[in-house]
Amino acid sequence: GEDVEQSLFLSVREGDSSVINCTYTDSSSTYLYWYKQEPGAGLQLLTYIFSNMDMKQDQRLTVLLNKKDKHLSLRIADTQTGDSAIYFCPPSSKGASKIIFGSGTRLSIRP
Amino acid sequence: EAGVAQSPRYKIIEKRQSVAFWCNPISGHATLYWYQQILGQGPKLLIQFQNNGVVDDSQLPKDRFSAERLKGVDSTLKIQPAKLEDSAVYLCASSLAGQLYNEQFFGPGTRLTVL
Repeated sequence: GEDVEQSLFLSVREGDSSVINCTYTDSSSTYLYWYKQEPGAGLQLLTYIFSNMDMKQDQRLTVLLNKKDKHLSLRIADTQTGDSAIYFCPPSSKGASKIIFGSGTRLSIRP
Repeated sequence: EAGVAQSPRYKIIEKRQSVAFWCNPISGHATLYWYQQILGQGPKLLIQFQNNGVVDDSQLPKDRFSAERLKGVDSTLKIQPAKLEDSAVYLCASSLAGQLYNEQFFGPGTRLTVL
C-alpha cells in the first residue's frame, strides 16, 4: 500500500520561503499531489507532479521530486498569511482513483 | 462552475441518535467520495462511488454507517446509531472518471459533534 510521512508542524516568518517535505513508501506512485486545507474548509489541489519529472514550478510554488530517495518537497516562496493551512502530499498509482492522505503538515506564519 | 455542495455544515447530536449528510457533486463528475476527518488527522476514505455503484467501501463501518448514491448524482451518508468517536468532519469530494490524473474537488464538509 501507499503511505506518506510528513512533519506535523512548520512555522515560518512572513516573506520567507517555506519548505514542506514528504517521504512516501511506494515507488510505483505515478502522480504525487499537493493539497491545501485552509481552516474550516475542504481540501483543494495546489499542484501535482508526474513521476518522470524532478521539478515543477508554478508561480510561487516549486515542487521537487527525488524518486531514488522517495522524497517530495513543496517550496512556497515569499510566504504570506494566506498560506496558513495544512498541506497534504498523497500519492496515487496510475489509473487509481483512490488517494490516501497522511496527517499533513500544518504551516503557520509568524509576523 | 459550481463546487461540491454539502449540508448541513454543522450538526450536534447525542450518542445513539441517527444523522444523515447530503452531498451534491460537481455536474458531470462520475466519481464521488466520502471521507471522515478526525481532528488532527488527514481525511480517511469511507466510501467511493463510480456513478451509482460502490467501488471501495473497505473502511466503512457497515454496522452503523451506510451510504447511497441514487441515480449517480447526489449522495447521502447516514450514521445510525452514532458513537462519541464519530465526532469528525465528513468531507464529500468528486472527480471526473478516466482522468489522466485524479484531481478531487472537495466540499466544505459537515462538522459532526456527538455528545
